[in-house]
Amino acid sequence: AQSVTQLGSHVSVSEGALVLLRCNYSSSVPPYLFWYVQYPNQGLQLLLKYTSAATLVKGINGFEAEFKKSETSFHLTKPSAHMSDAAEYFCAVRGTGTASKLTFGTGTRLQVTL
Amino acid sequence: GAVVSQHPSRVICKSGTSVKIECRSLDFQATTMFWYRQFPKQSLMLMATSNEGSKATYEQGVEKDKFLINHASLTLSTLTVTSAHPEDSSFYICSARGGGSYQETQYFGPGTRLLVL
Repeated sequence: AQSVTQLGSHVSVSEGALVLLRCNYSSSVPPYLFWYVQYPNQGLQLLLKYTSAATLVKGINGFEAEFKKSETSFHLTKPSAHMSDAAEYFCAVRGTGTASKLTFGTGTRLQVTL
Repeated sequence: GAVVSQHPSRVICKSGTSVKIECRSLDFQATTMFWYRQFPKQSLMLMATSNEGSKATYEQGVEKDKFLINHASLTLSTLTVTSAHPEDSSFYICSARGGGSYQETQYFGPGTRLLVL
C-alpha cells in the first residue's frame, strides 16, 4: 500500500522568493517518487523523478527535490519563483514493480505574486 | 522524447450519444496505458489500466460497460464513453508507460474536456 500527503493545498509566494512544496509518502516497498506540474486545462508534465539513484534530484525549470528516507519526504523546491511557475503541482509515488500503479497526492496550487 | 497525444482536446455532445477519445504514444511503445478522470480542482482519479492486447482492468466503482477501453496496439488506446450523460462531463487524461528506459515513468497526454449537454 502506498499514499502521498501534500501539505498545503494552496501556496502563495512572491516572485523571486523560494518555493517549497511539501510531499510526504508512505510505501511498503522502495518507492519511485515523482513531481508533476499541471497548467490550466492541460495534462501533467513531469518535473522530476526519484528512482533510487541520487537522493537530490534536479528537474526542469530550475526545480529540485530531495528524497529523505528517514523523513519519508520528497519536498519540491525552487530558489527563485517566476510568474510562469503558477500552476498545480502533484506529488506521486509508485513501487518499482512493473505492475505498480501511480498514487497521487491531492495537489498544491502555487500562486506567484508580484 | 516520451510524448503522448490525445484527440480530441475538447468535445461537446448530446446526452445519450457515445464519444471516443484517442490516446497515442508518439515516440515510444506503450506497454501499459492508464485512463484518468479529473474533476475541477481535484486530483486525478484512476479509471482503468490496460496492457496492449489485453482487457483493461477497471478500478472499483468504474463501470466497464460505460467506459470502454481498447488498447489495440503499442501506440494507441481508446476510451469510449457510451451513452454519455451530463454527469460524465469531466476532464479525461490518458497516460502511458513503456519498456526499457520508459518503464519507470508515466507520461501524460494533454487531456480531453468532455461536456455532455
